[in-house]
Amino acid sequence: AQSVTQLDSHVSVSEGTPVLLRCNYSSSYSPSLFWYVQHPNKGLQLLLKYTSAATLVKGINGFEAEFKKSETSFHLTKPSAHMSDAAEYFCVGDLSGNTGKLIFGQGTTLQVKP
Amino acid sequence: EAGVVQSPRYKIIEKKQPVAFWCNPISGHNTLYWYRQNLGQGPELLIRYENEEAVDDSQLPKDRFSAERLKGVDSTLKIQPAELGDSAVYLCASSSRSWDSNYNEQFFGPGTRLTVL
Repeated sequence: AQSVTQLDSHVSVSEGTPVLLRCNYSSSYSPSLFWYVQHPNKGLQLLLKYTSAATLVKGINGFEAEFKKSETSFHLTKPSAHMSDAAEYFCVGDLSGNTGKLIFGQGTTLQVKP
Repeated sequence: EAGVVQSPRYKIIEKKQPVAFWCNPISGHNTLYWYRQNLGQGPELLIRYENEEAVDDSQLPKDRFSAERLKGVDSTLKIQPAELGDSAVYLCASSSRSWDSNYNEQFFGPGTRLTVL
């Protein structure tokens, strides 16, 4: 079955320390994978996307993600957290052959402590 | 450029009442999506339109939910009658068909938060 699993429902880091949000996927096709961020009362915003080109993808606000087919993972990282990074993050996949049908993970709440 | 516009932003109704949500996609975007996001979960697709045609409505509870996209621009999602379990955020997204791209980014609106009492 096609699925996206975010391994942590809540991650807490201190400002200035690295961020790691974990995501695994299951797909019979070559997936397209994305990370979206959702700030309170705001719309979902695309952070970055993987669509079968470079496996290390750079996004906005210093975020990166690496597609690892052997591990079926697409973890999101950032070297140094900022207070403004506190939000809900969704790992998302188009897992059925670029149909445009997105499957969302359950979300990870990122808390950034001063 | 204006983003995806949704209204109302908030709606509180009593169960068994009807409710409707409106979405205006980004100009020129031919594909429109309605998602439902339950509390603490990721959004789930309800229906997808290509222009005025519903091409994927397999997840739409058709006994009480209906949607339309007249003229292939604005769209309305309706629930009649609403149930307590319909309380959620209803998100609209749009994307454009670009044949030289292997992915068409979906742009999301801010959503309508529905509370059914």
